[in-house]
Amino acid sequence: DQQVKQNSPSLSVQEGRISILNCDYTNSMFDYFLWYKKYPAEGPTFLISISSIKDKNEDGRFTVFLNKSAKHLSLHIVPSQPGDSAVYFCAAVGSGHSGGSNYKLTFGKGTLLTVNP
Amino acid sequence: IAGITQAPTSQILAAGRRMTLRCTQDMRHNAMYWYRQDLGLGLRLIHYSNTAGTTGKGEVPDGYSVSRANTDDFPLTLASAVPSQTSVYFCASSVQVFTEAFFGQGTRLTVV
Repeated sequence: DQQVKQNSPSLSVQEGRISILNCDYTNSMFDYFLWYKKYPAEGPTFLISISSIKDKNEDGRFTVFLNKSAKHLSLHIVPSQPGDSAVYFCAAVGSGHSGGSNYKLTFGKGTLLTVNP
Repeated sequence: IAGITQAPTSQILAAGRRMTLRCTQDMRHNAMYWYRQDLGLGLRLIHYSNTAGTTGKGEVPDGYSVSRANTDDFPLTLASAVPSQTSVYFCASSVQVFTEAFFGQGTRLTVV
């Protein structure tokens, strides 16, 4: 039961263009969403997050959009730079199936972004 | 430099052996986690701890145990390693449970 889905395993864009990474979720109890970036041989690093009370959060070149009705979020990177090439993980937090305060951070499988010079 | 330290960075382990992966953080974070990363499967939560003295099971806890005797340390033990436990293991911590987490550099474990 994959609750957080990143359906594109890879994405390739040209430097300077927009990168759009997509993420879908199935659990309506998720109320906080995060994006992590991971370089090879390193641990993931937190990039940006959004609460379910918002539909957009922006931090420099990175913007996350949340569509609660569609259970969909996306990460936009504008303009894309070669240093952005990495695996991007979408993650969601909310009550587990047992409900209550049993929050579990659930990750998608990741999307490998390659930004070509 | 403040952060999370994992040890060892890599290990080759014979099947059936016991192994403890170490994790230490110096940020005084309440919550700590262990994830494993496998090709095509992303990051999967093994165990977590909301605060010192408490632990909880994640998505793939079987074959693993953890303890949280103090705030800083969160060791992960494989009682009897099997080849399917070959993976990259990441320890992470956050101020509160499941807020923005800081990850360690990972431990690459190969069980043969």
